[in-house]
Amino acid sequence: QKEVEQNSGPLSVPEGAIASLNCTYSDRGSQSFFWYRQYSGKSPELIMFIYSNGDKEDGRFTAQLNKASQYVSLLIRDSQPSDSATYLCAVAMDSSYKLIFGSGTRLLVRP
Amino acid sequence: DTEVTQTPKHLVMGMTNKKSLKCEQHMGHRAMYWYKQKAKKPPELMFVYSYEKLSINESVPSRFSPECPNSSLLNLHLHALQPEDSALYLCASSPSAPGNTIYFGEGSWLTVV
Repeated sequence: QKEVEQNSGPLSVPEGAIASLNCTYSDRGSQSFFWYRQYSGKSPELIMFIYSNGDKEDGRFTAQLNKASQYVSLLIRDSQPSDSATYLCAVAMDSSYKLIFGSGTRLLVRP
Repeated sequence: DTEVTQTPKHLVMGMTNKKSLKCEQHMGHRAMYWYKQKAKKPPELMFVYSYEKLSINESVPSRFSPECPNSSLLNLHLHALQPEDSALYLCASSPSAPGNTIYFGEGSWLTVV
């Protein structure tokens, strides 16, 4: 059973702080890793993708991948109330079109 | 803004109705997907089309019937649905290879009464 685990939260951080969202996965064959943001009542929006070990930065967002430990994380610097949403971690293998989603972490950024 | 367009945004249908959800993308992607999402749950894969051929059917009941008329269009035909089928239906697309990034449309909210 391929699984992706996330803490459901809510993760509450003050405005301006760093929010750290974590995700672990069970299948060592996983190759592609994605973070989606989903506002209540809206569809998932791609935030970051990462394929290689290490860090990948895009603006206030940094994705971190550690394949040996089977975890991927998302850091949000200078968190804003508009970042309040559910963040979905998703994992894929190069041999499959199927994305395995975690259950999502709800982030709340307090003004 | 998403480049995957879904219509209608909202649909209310009776259990005896036949309706269709439509999806269009103009990104040249060759894989298209239907996902179903219930409240406070992650999206669940229903179908994948690759190069206009059905590649994955996640054991979806036959009251849901997908169709891919061409590489830009994807339909989901609905017939004899149950109230528990009420959900957000998400269309998505990705470039040709498995493992590529998947982009979602805005979704169609379906209510079965």
